[in-house]
Amino acid sequence: DVVLTQSSLSLPVTVGQPASISCRSNQSLLSSDGNTYLNWFQQRPGQSPRRLIYKVSNRDSGVPDRFSGSGSGTDFTLKISRVEADDVAIYYCMQGTHWPRTFGQGTKVEV
Amino acid sequence: EVQMVASGGTLVQPGGSLRLSCTTSGFIFSDYWMSWLRQSPGRGLEWVANIKNDGSDKYYVASVKGRFTIFRDNAEKSLYLQMNSLTADDTGVYFCARDPKYNSGPWGQGTLVTVSS
Repeated sequence: DVVLTQSSLSLPVTVGQPASISCRSNQSLLSSDGNTYLNWFQQRPGQSPRRLIYKVSNRDSGVPDRFSGSGSGTDFTLKISRVEADDVAIYYCMQGTHWPRTFGQGTKVEV
Repeated sequence: EVQMVASGGTLVQPGGSLRLSCTTSGFIFSDYWMSWLRQSPGRGLEWVANIKNDGSDKYYVASVKGRFTIFRDNAEKSLYLQMNSLTADDTGVYFCARDPKYNSGPWGQGTLVTVSS
């Protein structure tokens, strides 16, 4: 199975400052169809996960533009340009290129 | 509004069986691949199974293959997960969702399965 490693389990941040979360795969996530199926999810306390970003860098509808995704191959990053209090959550990367789909272990963003 | 409501979770003994249900609304159910996922403190977030929109293809994570069966009823807009030979490792909150590889949208509140004697 593909292993996704998020570099930090916890990320202390300051409101108004940028934040960055890394996700590294042990295999390339470039699919044979030319797409890279790396998604990012946000899970706020007491809620179910919500997808933020799909195929590396595409924001889902309703996701603030302070969230952005980047990367290729095996290295990916989720960036929050200016953290807000509402962003306190656990963030997960997920790959859909290989079966089974797998998730990173999560990074808890704490203000 | 897209909604998923999972149910059927409860306390069950090791070796027991359980069937989870997911009722959906707000979208054309028969158009979508559907997924079961689970979350536990020990295993984190884990994708469990997928089923094609017409039910003809199914995929499972290795740890549940041969024990769990995903199926659906498109007329009822419902998704199911039959779980047999349960172990403590199957404990967690189970979510149903439109395949998160391709789709956004809510996962619902989940249903808690606890496997313990």
